[in-house]
Amino acid sequence: AQSVSQHNHHVILSEAASLELGCNYSYGGTVNLFWYVQYPGQHLQLLLKYFSGDPLVKGIKGFEAEFIKSKFSFNLRKPSVQWSDTAEYFCAVRMDSSYKLIFGSGTRLLVRP
Amino acid sequence: NAGVMQNPRHLVRRRGQEARLRCSPMKGHSHVYWYRQLPEEGLKFMVYLQKENIIDESGMPKERFSAEFPKEGPSILRIQQVVRGDSAAYFCASSPRRATTYEQYFGPGTRLTVT
Repeated sequence: AQSVSQHNHHVILSEAASLELGCNYSYGGTVNLFWYVQYPGQHLQLLLKYFSGDPLVKGIKGFEAEFIKSKFSFNLRKPSVQWSDTAEYFCAVRMDSSYKLIFGSGTRLLVRP
Repeated sequence: NAGVMQNPRHLVRRRGQEARLRCSPMKGHSHVYWYRQLPEEGLKFMVYLQKENIIDESGMPKERFSAEFPKEGPSILRIQQVVRGDSAAYFCASSPRRATTYEQYFGPGTRLTVT
């Protein structure tokens, strides 16, 4: 079955540390890839998305992600995190021409000031 | 520029009661998607609706769950005779057209607790 894996469920970092959150999916066809963020008490917001073209995608708030097709991965990165990045991060995949998003289980990031 | 609205944000029901969750899509959006997030799990697709039509309900439990998106008014996700296992966060998303190339915009979710 198609699935999305986020291996880090909880991550704790100090401010200014670098961040990398892993996301892997299991599907051999065409995919669209997304990272969403949910700040405490707020709705899911789109951080960035990949549809085609340059596999290195830049998003909002200094986040970026790289699509590596051979590894079925779409890892999220930020060179220097801030306390305000404390949130839950979800990777999502849309496969072929489906409208359904398949989500990973999320990663809770806590950034200590 | 209002986003996707969901109400209530928190809902507590006793076992056997009914739960009604409402979702108002973004202005100009006519496609609505419901997802459910069980504790410690990712969001899982439940149903996709357009105005007055259910397009795909393959993720809905076979019994007690129903959804509608009338011509006027919000989309409603209805859970009859709730059980403890229904406790979850229910998210609604909308898109201007069928979301094969459009992103989905999410609401804040409704957290249902069944006691």
